[in-house]
Amino acid sequence: DSGVTQTPKHLITATGQRVTLRCSPRSGDLSVYWYQQSLDQGLQFLIQYYNGEERAKGNILERFSAQQFPDLHSELNLSSLELGDSALYFCASSFGPGAGNSPLHFGNGTRLTVT
Amino acid sequence: GENVEQHPSTLSVQEGDSAVIKCTYSDSASNYFPWYKQELGKRPQLIIDIRSNVGEKKDQRIAVTLNKTAKHFSLHITETQPEDSAVYFCAAGEGGSEKLVFGKGTKLTVNP
Repeated sequence: DSGVTQTPKHLITATGQRVTLRCSPRSGDLSVYWYQQSLDQGLQFLIQYYNGEERAKGNILERFSAQQFPDLHSELNLSSLELGDSALYFCASSFGPGAGNSPLHFGNGTRLTVT
Repeated sequence: GENVEQHPSTLSVQEGDSAVIKCTYSDSASNYFPWYKQELGKRPQLIIDIRSNVGEKKDQRIAVTLNKTAKHFSLHITETQPEDSAVYFCAAGEGGSEKLVFGKGTKLTVNP
């Protein structure tokens, strides 16, 4: 168990809808990262928060947004969903502000299916 | 920005053989290189990492080598076992950088 909790495990929704994915980082970790993994694809970095503030952005669509709350949990909001948004969404956490020198601990992911 | 290329995309070996996965990176400022293992339907898990001030690191049957001049690093698994079957991802990150860039992964199959 990595200590990173993601809910829900599975989500099935229709095109055009909006969903919220939730992540609680490992105890003591201040950074939260969101990654998207499509079928047979690698891990695409979406966005990172450190201690409540946005720290880095990757290939995140404008339809997607995220935030980190004072208790350090994070939510990823996906709106106007399209079929191509179907993927496994991972949250990861680390202690420091930089993924470049601090191991990432991944949650078990949320599998999103858009029909 | 950083770009990480990983080869091969699939690798099949017989149990007991060695497996080697190679990655190249583009940003000479990168100095942190972790490897993650992802079993089917599960989360990626860190198996070994190396920093640029070290050329090689070993942990039992797993070793990672780094050539900073050539900007490539490799994962070596010896005496492979069926439970080593998984997708392996390499990554590169700049010290202090927020972004860890992953390769596209290598699906390793160890045949009994």
